[in-house]
This record gives sequence, structure tokens and C-alpha cells, in this order.
Amino acid sequence: DAMVIQNPRYQVTQFGKPVTLSCSQTLNHNVMYWYQQKSSQAPKLLFHYYDKDFNNEADTPDNFQSRRPNTSFCFLDIRSPGLGDAAMYLCATRQLLGRMDYNEQFFGPGTRLTVL
Amino acid sequence: GQNIDQPTEMTATEGAIVQINCTYQTSGFNGLFWYQQHAGEAPTFLSYNVLDGLEEKGRFSSFLSRSKGYSYLLLKELQMKDSASYLCAVLDSNYQLIWGAGTKLIIKP
Repeated sequence: DAMVIQNPRYQVTQFGKPVTLSCSQTLNHNVMYWYQQKSSQAPKLLFHYYDKDFNNEADTPDNFQSRRPNTSFCFLDIRSPGLGDAAMYLCATRQLLGRMDYNEQFFGPGTRLTVL
Repeated sequence: GQNIDQPTEMTATEGAIVQINCTYQTSGFNGLFWYQQHAGEAPTFLSYNVLDGLEEKGRFSSFLSRSKGYSYLLLKELQMKDSASYLCAVLDSNYQLIWGAGTKLIIKP
């Protein structure tokens, strides 16, 4: 089945220790998103890639970086995690057909990050 | 600013009907999505409305009124597995999704 995969599902890191979360997709979608979601809050868009074009949200902290080496993979790097970065990190994809078209986003299962 | 409002929590009884409302104020409008999210899991797509009116999909229906900036998700014949959060999201003029915080729906037997 075509899908969005995130690894690991649960990640524990120490305060200030860099961590990388990964996302892969078999849908061959041209857009990939990273969201941060805290309990009972809306998903917050961190950045997205349209093919290799990187789009950073204005309020995404510099502590968060992303890489998309190819269509299938996208990584979220947190350079120095703080306690406030503990959250669920969701990866999503969609196929951009054209400016006036919009398909739904397909989400991976998420990675729950704990910062000790 | 852009704003999506939904009730924080609702409770309903198994077998009943529940309506979850969503009001929005966004810079432009290119459609409204409803997603279901079970605790600890990713959101899954339920519906997309861009024209006024009611879209029905089995037990779930979604309604949109663009002039009122209003949508609702109607769930019929509630089942215990429908206990989840329901997220409303609006596509703004830049084709960015603006998300509501979600409505936690609790189903009681």
C-alpha cells in the first residue's frame, strides 16, 4: 500500500542533544510537510518542500532544519532540543497538480518526541 | 489575523447524532477540510468542501456556508470508534492550510 512512514514512532532525547526524525513516502507526491503538534492544539506548520524548493514558515525557530535528499525522503533536524520542543511531529505529503487544484494531505503516523 | 474556532470538547451517546461546528476568518478561502485524529495518531482525511451546501459520505456529512464563514461536520449512528478529535482546516488565499485546534468527541455507551 502507498503510504507515509515515519521513524521512529517514539524518540527520547536529552536537552540540547541533536536529534533527527525521518519521513519517507511511497506516494511519489511532490510536496512534503513537517508539522509540530502539541497536546490539544492545532498542527503547526514548520516548513514544506515543493520538490526541492524549501519553504520555511516565518515563525519556525532556527533550531529546526530540514533536508529532502530525494522525492521519497524528508528529514527534520532539531539542533538543540529544548523542553518546549517536546511534541508530536507529523510528516504529510500531497500531490500539487496546479495552483487551482488541491488534494488532501496524507499524514504519517507521527513521531512523539520526549526531551529529558 | 487568521482564526479557526471549534468547540474544545463534545460528548454524545452511542447511536446518536452529533454536529461539530467550525467558524473561520481567513485571508481568502480555497476550501475547508475535516480530519479525524485518534489519540496519539495522525490525522486522516474525512471531507473537503469548497462550494456551499452539504456533502454526504456514509455516516459523515459536511456542510459549508462561505457567506457565514461556517461549516459543520455531522456524524450519524455514532459508534464508540468515532471517539476522536475532529480538526477543521481552511485553505487560505496562499493555498496554505490554517488549522483549528480540534474538537475532542467523547462517545458514551
